[in-house]
Amino acid sequence: NAGVTQTPKFQVLKTGQSMTLQCAQDMNHNSMYWYRQDPGMGLRLIYYSASEGTTDKGEVPNGYNVSRLNKREFSLRLESAAPSQTSVYFCASSWTGVEQYFGPGTRLTVT
Amino acid sequence: TQLLEQSPQFLSIQEGENLTVYCNSSSVFSSLQWYRQEPGEGPVLLVTVVTGGEVKKLKRLTFQFGDARKDSSLHITAAQPGDTGLYLCAGARSNYQLIWGAGTKLIIKP
Repeated sequence: NAGVTQTPKFQVLKTGQSMTLQCAQDMNHNSMYWYRQDPGMGLRLIYYSASEGTTDKGEVPNGYNVSRLNKREFSLRLESAAPSQTSVYFCASSWTGVEQYFGPGTRLTVT
Repeated sequence: TQLLEQSPQFLSIQEGENLTVYCNSSSVFSSLQWYRQEPGEGPVLLVTVVTGGEVKKLKRLTFQFGDARKDSSLHITAAQPGDTGLYLCAGARSNYQLIWGAGTKLIIKP
């Protein structure tokens, strides 16, 4: 089992460009999450999906959109990237809704 | 607003020493998790504590949940270089969302 996979691992964007971060899990988990991690600030929840077909905003949703494509896949889209979105992005999944399993992360730089 | 305060933020000690890191809040949590994150990787779940006063051991790591379920501690005995990493605590207040601490960066020097 691969667990949680994320693509790409690294990305550099110019201000105003768009991109989609992909996430897939093979653990048959119902809930999936997108976080960003910035130095000294811990993990901040962007969006989550409690189950297939539902999505909800987290703590910092502005500038992002998500799609729960099916039970396995949950994507995060930046429509018009800004330097403030430079961060490390993590996808996670969970069976219980509490104990979460993380992917390796995407390191995004917006210039 | 940081609802979970972790201390210390940074700790550098010699191999073989003992240490304790803390995770404190004014809020009550239904459960609390500890994760370890190594550079360039995602956090990895170490343990979940659920009951007030609960103590769990994972080899040389001892985790305790406060009686009031507002705080937790992680004690490492005889630290080893392999314990180096960022330790994160996360509290569950409702299904599907966790409140995260900012982390304790731990360096164990050989």
